[in-house]
Amino acid sequence: GAGVSQTPSNKVTEKGKYVELRCDPISGHTALYWYRQSLGQGPEFLIYFQGTGAADDSGLPNDRFFAVRPEGSVSTLKIQRTERGDSAVYLCASSSYSGGNTGELFFGEGSRLTVL
Amino acid sequence: AQTVTQSQPEMSVQEAETVTLSCTYDTSENNYYLFWYKQPPSRQMILVIRQEAYKQQNATENRFSVNFQKAAKSFSLKISDSQLGDTAMYFCAFMKGQAGTALIFGKGTTLSVSS
Repeated sequence: GAGVSQTPSNKVTEKGKYVELRCDPISGHTALYWYRQSLGQGPEFLIYFQGTGAADDSGLPNDRFFAVRPEGSVSTLKIQRTERGDSAVYLCASSSYSGGNTGELFFGEGSRLTVL
Repeated sequence: AQTVTQSQPEMSVQEAETVTLSCTYDTSENNYYLFWYKQPPSRQMILVIRQEAYKQQNATENRFSVNFQKAAKSFSLKISDSQLGDTAMYFCAFMKGQAGTALIFGKGTTLSVSS
């Protein structure tokens, strides 16, 4: 597609439920990032993929959070046993990496997760 | 660890005026990039301007320019001839020059442009 696509745009769930958030990056972008943004705050890094592998998952807050990118394109962020504190906008970004770091990330519009 | 600090939670400016948003950062790296991103109410982050640390010349993109002071670790954004459409949250961000590193964001500055 023309840009980074994230679905769903909004998700309301109940405490304790499992949720999946999907990110479809720009075609050909090998790098993919997940961020979490709480209201009025800057995005907080969660995980970075280069191809199919998670090159840096140091930002995942705990083992309830997991992300996959099985074919090196679409990625899914999975949250188990959701808690009210997980409510935030989850942003996905992709970047073209060809042996050098150009530095520019292209962001999707985010998935707003509300845990009741 | 790298940190990015934006000390102005909110700023306001009149249309056609100039405004400067502040950003400082802390790093021991010598090779890195700095960015300003804009996030309007639609939520999508849009790159405003980028600066490579090895370049002494300040980056400029139309009405947007930066004042990059490497020794002081300061990276401010100047918006000239402010427009209503500039109303948004602005984030300063840092990225190490090595491949596969994350973009680290500041907490943001909410800019309101009024007529």
